Amino acid sequence: GQQLNQSPQSMFIQEGEDVSMNCTSSSIFNTWLWYKQDPGEGPVLLIALYKAGELTSNGRLTAQFGITRKDSFLNISASIPSDVGIYFCAGRARGGGADGLTFGKGTHLIIQP
Amino acid sequence: DAGITQSPRHKVTETGTPVTLRCHQTENHRYMYWYRQDPGHGLRLIHYSYGVKDTDKGEVSDGYSVSRSKTEDFLLTLESATSSQTSVYFCAISDRGGTDTQYFGPGTRLTVL
Repeated sequence: GQQLNQSPQSMFIQEGEDVSMNCTSSSIFNTWLWYKQDPGEGPVLLIALYKAGELTSNGRLTAQFGITRKDSFLNISASIPSDVGIYFCAGRARGGGADGLTFGKGTHLIIQP
Repeated sequence: DAGITQSPRHKVTETGTPVTLRCHQTENHRYMYWYRQDPGHGLRLIHYSYGVKDTDKGEVSDGYSVSRSKTEDFLLTLESATSSQTSVYFCAISDRGGTDTQYFGPGTRLTVL
């Protein structure tokens, strides 16, 4: 099946710094999604991308659907303590049906005040 | 927040016992999914449903069965629980299957002793 490589695995940053993480796939994806998960809770959708080259913002978050359709990145500007959590990319391959998403293994974001 | 609830939220059981987890939605979405989340593996699809009484297997379906007799409920059953099924289980819903985003429930933490 498809595989998603998400990097970095973890990030230790200072409050106020910008954050960048990315996902790459071995196959072409039609959809890229970015989720955030807080401890003890389910993943919450942050941004959804449906077109190659698409750049979408949600507050301090910006995500892009790579032109090659095999990658996506998420940027967080001016990080704050509540940004702490695990960020997952997820995607659906071209031709994929209703059978769920492929997930990256997550980026743990830790913010030092 | 999407109207998704999972029950129970926590369960401890013994090896060999049957276990049923329930996902309930109030969004009238057609598609429902069961994932498990484990350290080092991220989220992996167990089974999914694309309508009442229509289900199919995901990536890690062995040892699990599902049923969907109503649009709003999707049940996951472990026929005979094993320690390897200790995990956090998430339900997700979607209203457009192959092209739309998925929204997750709060999760069920299952421990099999």
